[in-house]
Amino acid sequence: DIQMTQSPSSLSASIGDRVTITCRASQGIGNYLAWFQQKPGKVPKLLIYAASSLQSGVPSRFRGSGSGTDFTLTISSLQPEDFATYYCLKYYGVPQTFGQGTKVEVK
Amino acid sequence: EVQLVESGGALVQSGGSLRLSCAVSGFIVSDKYMTWVRQAPGKGLEWVSVMFRNGTTHYTDSVKGRFTVYRDNPKNTLRLQMNSLRAEDTAVYYCATDGSDASTWYVAYSWGQGTLVTVSS
Repeated sequence: DIQMTQSPSSLSASIGDRVTITCRASQGIGNYLAWFQQKPGKVPKLLIYAASSLQSGVPSRFRGSGSGTDFTLTISSLQPEDFATYYCLKYYGVPQTFGQGTKVEVK
Repeated sequence: EVQLVESGGALVQSGGSLRLSCAVSGFIVSDKYMTWVRQAPGKGLEWVSVMFRNGTTHYTDSVKGRFTVYRDNPKNTLRLQMNSLRAEDTAVYYCATDGSDASTWYVAYSWGQGTLVTVSS
């Protein structure tokens, strides 16, 4: 099975900061990589699919990049509503695999 | 509008069974890729199972032989039959479906609100 390694597991940042989260696949997965945002007690929200396609309604400060084995989610200028946990998802084949999550906290 | 509504979560004893339902509207359940994802309390997201459009199913290793996903076509509902439940199955269970555009196939595009399963030991 393909493993997904997401890092860091948590980070502290301030409003306006640039934030970068990475996911690495143990084998190539093309661009079958999605990013989700989840706030406590809420349903995960799809941000990015196909590695770099922005879901409708998601602010343009969110950007996904990468292909093959290395992927990045970048928030260009962190906003108060962006404090949350972020997950990557590899959806190439089965099993699908989520990353371990990255909690973005207030510095 | 695509909507998914899970139900059936409950408190059950270890070794027991439970059937979750995911009633959908805005699309036909047999026309779509459907997946179950769970989240244990305070933990991350875990993919559980999938049913492809052609009816093929796959499961994560920890539930193989215990969980079965199937479609109830007359009720336009996806079901997850969970047997031999264990304490580690305690989680919120979400159903999700993919998008309508080919670029959004196979990704958990639309989600239900989740249903809580608690397995007591």
